[in-house]
Amino acid sequence: QVQLVQSGAEVKKPGASVKVSCKASGYTFNRYYIHWVRQAPGQGLEWMGLINPSGGVTTYAQKFQGRVTMTRDTSTTTFNMELSSLRSEDTAVYFCARDASGTYYVAYYFDYWGQGTLVTVSS
Amino acid sequence: EIVMTESPATLSASPGERATLSCRASQSVSSNLAWYQQKSGQAPRLLIFGASTRATGIPARFSGSGSGTEFTLTISSLQSEDFAVYYCQQYSKWPYTFGQGTKLEIK
Repeated sequence: QVQLVQSGAEVKKPGASVKVSCKASGYTFNRYYIHWVRQAPGQGLEWMGLINPSGGVTTYAQKFQGRVTMTRDTSTTTFNMELSSLRSEDTAVYFCARDASGTYYVAYYFDYWGQGTLVTVSS
Repeated sequence: EIVMTESPATLSASPGERATLSCRASQSVSSNLAWYQQKSGQAPRLLIFGASTRATGIPARFSGSGSGTEFTLTISSLQSEDFAVYYCQQYSKWPYTFGQGTKLEIK
């Protein structure tokens, strides 16, 4: 069965960086793009960007460009999202989510999600 | 960026009733619209894509309609497990945006 298992909660100080991991299993790793979506406490969902597991090409939402880095490790079938220069507004649950298309095009909607990782930014 | 507006913010209904949730896009997204259900403390679950196609394993009581800028999610007969927050998402234009959600609560 498809599983996306994320790393545990993090507490960071303003200005620091955080790295969240997402281990994929139960499907062909190279076929499906992975997106990252975040949700601030009590708020809606915000798309951050995506990564192509074949080659690692990324596309980031403009809001996060310069601060976010998405990578993948094919040997461990793990995706990573690193966010730098953290501020209090970055306090949120971060989700990895699988793109619904397993073909050459990207669907940009999401059929499987990780359980979420709470990142708290506080001094 | 395309702004997605969901209404109402909160909908109170009883089990067995029909629920209708609305989503409006600030510009046309054609049929590139998905709906998700999110329960407290859980990740969202894909319900509908292409505005009207149910995702795998989604019960037939969930249906989606609309195109362009106006969309509807209908739950024909509410079950206890349907009380949750529902989000629409457009995937027509980058950046891909979500609505703020409709909370469906038990009356």
